[in-house]
Amino acid sequence: GDSVTQTEGLVTLTKGLPVMLNCTYQTTYSPFLFWYVQHLNEAPKLLLKSSTDNKRTEHQGFYATLHKSSSSFHLQKSSVQLSDSALYFCALSDPANSGTYQRFGTGTKLQVVP
Amino acid sequence: DAGVTQTPRHEVAEKGQTIILKCEPVSGHNDLFWYRQTKIQGLELLSYFRSKSLMEDGGAFKDRFKAEMLNSSFSTLKIQPTEPKDSAVYLCASSLTGGNTEVFFGKGTRLTVV
Repeated sequence: GDSVTQTEGLVTLTKGLPVMLNCTYQTTYSPFLFWYVQHLNEAPKLLLKSSTDNKRTEHQGFYATLHKSSSSFHLQKSSVQLSDSALYFCALSDPANSGTYQRFGTGTKLQVVP
Repeated sequence: DAGVTQTPRHEVAEKGQTIILKCEPVSGHNDLFWYRQTKIQGLELLSYFRSKSLMEDGGAFKDRFKAEMLNSSFSTLKIQPTEPKDSAVYLCASSLTGGNTEVFFGKGTRLTVV
């Protein structure tokens, strides 16, 4: 079945450093990939999404590129801020199948310290 | 703000009690989801409704968890009887039908079973 893997449970970084949160997936179809962010005591919300191979998509300083050859959609930012501390979820769906729903990874907690 | 509304935000129950969590999805959304969120397992799907019909319920949760969608604007999740291992955050989410649409989440209900 379809699955999303986020290998890091917790990433701790100093403010101003770059970050990459890993997301890989397994599926038999051409997928749509999503990143959601959840701040403490808040609802998860969409950060960015893509279905185009090898095209960088950006939002709020974060960016990700879908690489179908390696089944990856890693989330990056060049300089993290304290306000980026949150839980980040990667998700996968089949855009051609209206009968399906998004599958989520287990999430990566990003902790930015001064 | 017409997002997903969940009540209550916090619930404390004694072991063996019955509790009911409530959710109002975004108006016009056809798909509704209930998730359990824990640090270890991430987001676990409990139930998935499309146009008020139950499409999927998480097999491991069938015996004590029952979600219902009485109308297109209201859903409940009943846990009966509660056990301490049910302590978690329960998230309700909704979306338009389609594999490339954004999922909108509520802020969740934090359940503590003592």
